[in-house]
Amino acid sequence: KAGVTQTPRYLIKTRGQQVTLSCSPISGHRSVSWYQQTPGQGLQFLFEYFSETQRNKGNFPGRFSGRQFSNSRSEMNVSTLELGDSALYLCASSLRRGEQETQYFGPGTRLLVL
Amino acid sequence: AQSVTQLGSHVSVSEGALVLLRCNYSSSVPPYLFWYVQYPNQGLQLLLKYTSAATLVKGINGFEAEFKKSETSFHLTKPSAHMSDAAEYFCAVSDPGFQKLVFGTGTRLLVSP
Repeated sequence: KAGVTQTPRYLIKTRGQQVTLSCSPISGHRSVSWYQQTPGQGLQFLFEYFSETQRNKGNFPGRFSGRQFSNSRSEMNVSTLELGDSALYLCASSLRRGEQETQYFGPGTRLLVL
Repeated sequence: AQSVTQLGSHVSVSEGALVLLRCNYSSSVPPYLFWYVQYPNQGLQLLLKYTSAATLVKGINGFEAEFKKSETSFHLTKPSAHMSDAAEYFCAVSDPGFQKLVFGTGTRLLVSP
């Protein structure tokens, strides 16, 4: 079974632009979560989607948004990019919702904002 | 709120030596705990998880972790380090009701020949 896939793997943008990242979960997985990883802040939860609905959101500004499609694929969007948005963005999927569920991570999208 | 603390941002061992990576958790309810490994330029790979079925959890690549409630710890060990174990290791606790993982700051494992 294929793992979590994320596209693109690398991205370079300039301040003020917007960006859309894509995540395809493991087949059959219905919950998709997004995390931001930076050297300074570590791994931080962005949001989680299940059945096309955002269920939880981390402490990020409204410039960060996402959505989930009927096939469980998810996208996240960052508008008005800032230098501090440079990070590795990780997507994770799990079969169901619940704290006991294992989240499986994709390889990430590395975003560089200049 | 759930949290984890990983003691030691860097741990250095020689090939063949014991690996011990420390993780302490704080949780208001019985926790679900995870260890992930991250190799350079890759995502996170699950090593093992604790779900209260057994206090000693065996994972992939020869790693295991022991849950100790009295010490609120979930340390990761491997009897004999390999060069291929060099990576960053993250301990995480699941936040009940929020479907999110709360990660520690990570420990970079360095293995010397």
